[in-house]
Amino acid sequence: GNSVTQMEGPVTLSEEAFLTINCTYTATGYPSLFWYVQYPGEGLQLLLKATKADDKGSNKGFEATYRKETTSFHLEKGSVQVSDSAVYFCALGGTSYGKLTFGQGTILTVHP
Amino acid sequence: GAVVSQHPSWVICKSGTSVKIECRSLDFQATTMFWYRQFPKQSLMLMATSNEGSKATYEQGVEKDKFLINHASLTLSTLTVTSAHPEDSSFYICSARKGGSAYNEQFFGPGTRLTVL
Repeated sequence: GNSVTQMEGPVTLSEEAFLTINCTYTATGYPSLFWYVQYPGEGLQLLLKATKADDKGSNKGFEATYRKETTSFHLEKGSVQVSDSAVYFCALGGTSYGKLTFGQGTILTVHP
Repeated sequence: GAVVSQHPSWVICKSGTSVKIECRSLDFQATTMFWYRQFPKQSLMLMATSNEGSKATYEQGVEKDKFLINHASLTLSTLTVTSAHPEDSSFYICSARKGGSAYNEQFFGPGTRLTVL
């Protein structure tokens, strides 16, 4: 079956530091890959997505590239801000009703 | 935008009672809604897929008689936890998919914290 593994957190960074959150997956077929963000007290929001191999998703300075050869979709940002503090979830979507399989989530805290 | 609400945001109940959680898509119609369960410091686990006007499809290991799902309209799905026990305490999250395609984005509600005493 499908599965997603994220690097364990929590991750604590200083403002303007470089961020990487690793995500690898196991899936049959050709899934879409997603990063969701959950700010305190809010629901999950789609941050970015990639639907096929070598696609790069990007949004709000975050980027992730769909690497089929390494089955990875690592999230990166060149310079984090305090407002980026949140929980980040990597997910993959199959074609069956669009069901999502989530990683365990990574808590990011950015200090001024 | 695409907003999904859940009600209540938190609920405390006694063991043996039933609790209903509502999930509403406020500004769009959702043919399909999903119910997830999240344990502390763990991932979201899909419980069931709910399609408007038909029976929900439950994931393996989820008791359909315990977690009753009704999707009676294009903007409302409900999850009823029947005869709740302390092990049912968890964070329940719903999502609603805009449009009919399986590739359309899901929009998530803020979640409902259930505590069973």
